[in-house]
Amino acid sequence: AQKVTQAQTEISVVEKEDVTLDCVYETRDTTYYLFWYKQPPSGELVFLIRRNSFDEQNEISGRYSWNFQKSTSSFNFTITASQVVDSAVYFCAPPAFNDYKLSFGAGTTVTVRA
Amino acid sequence: DSGVTQTPKHLITATGQRVTLRCSPRSGDLSVYWYQQSLDQGLQFLIQYYNGEERAKGNILERFSAQQFPDLHSELNLSSLELGDSALYFCASSGDREAYNEQFFGPGTRLTVL
Repeated sequence: AQKVTQAQTEISVVEKEDVTLDCVYETRDTTYYLFWYKQPPSGELVFLIRRNSFDEQNEISGRYSWNFQKSTSSFNFTITASQVVDSAVYFCAPPAFNDYKLSFGAGTTVTVRA
Repeated sequence: DSGVTQTPKHLITATGQRVTLRCSPRSGDLSVYWYQQSLDQGLQFLIQYYNGEERAKGNILERFSAQQFPDLHSELNLSSLELGDSALYFCASSGDREAYNEQFFGPGTRLTVL
């Protein structure tokens, strides 16, 4: 069975600091996708990024960057120069390649203070 | 705005009652997913429909049922409600049946059972 772990429960930073969120995904599948979703205080779930397991290249998009290491099953997400609007709960969500559902991690609450 | 609509936004009812939550997917999306978010269970997948047919089931109670209509909107029916059913219920849609496609989430329906 697959298991996703977000060990960090809460992270609090001051504006402009970088924030790195950890996600560890344990699975026997050799091919899978990984998603990050954001849930701001307003409650909606917002899609951030999708990466596949056979692409280990890091990627940067604006202030967001991702680091995927298949050897350790870790899929980390970094917010550079954080802003107050980044305050939210961030979920890692990996589905198996042939599965139909997202299995969300417990989430990491990020608080960015002005 | 994800393009997925859910009604009602809030619902307050009593134990033992029955409620119906409604979801309209993004235009053109054939898959509808239902998720439950509660403090103790986190975000959990309930059920998926694809083009009118049930595709996958998750941790959905027997008291709960869902359907997807020919116009692709979906309804989640919750009956014999218990206090523990109080949660935020999300609907998501995607263009295809597999979970590795991006899912777009609606704003959610907050159910409070008193």
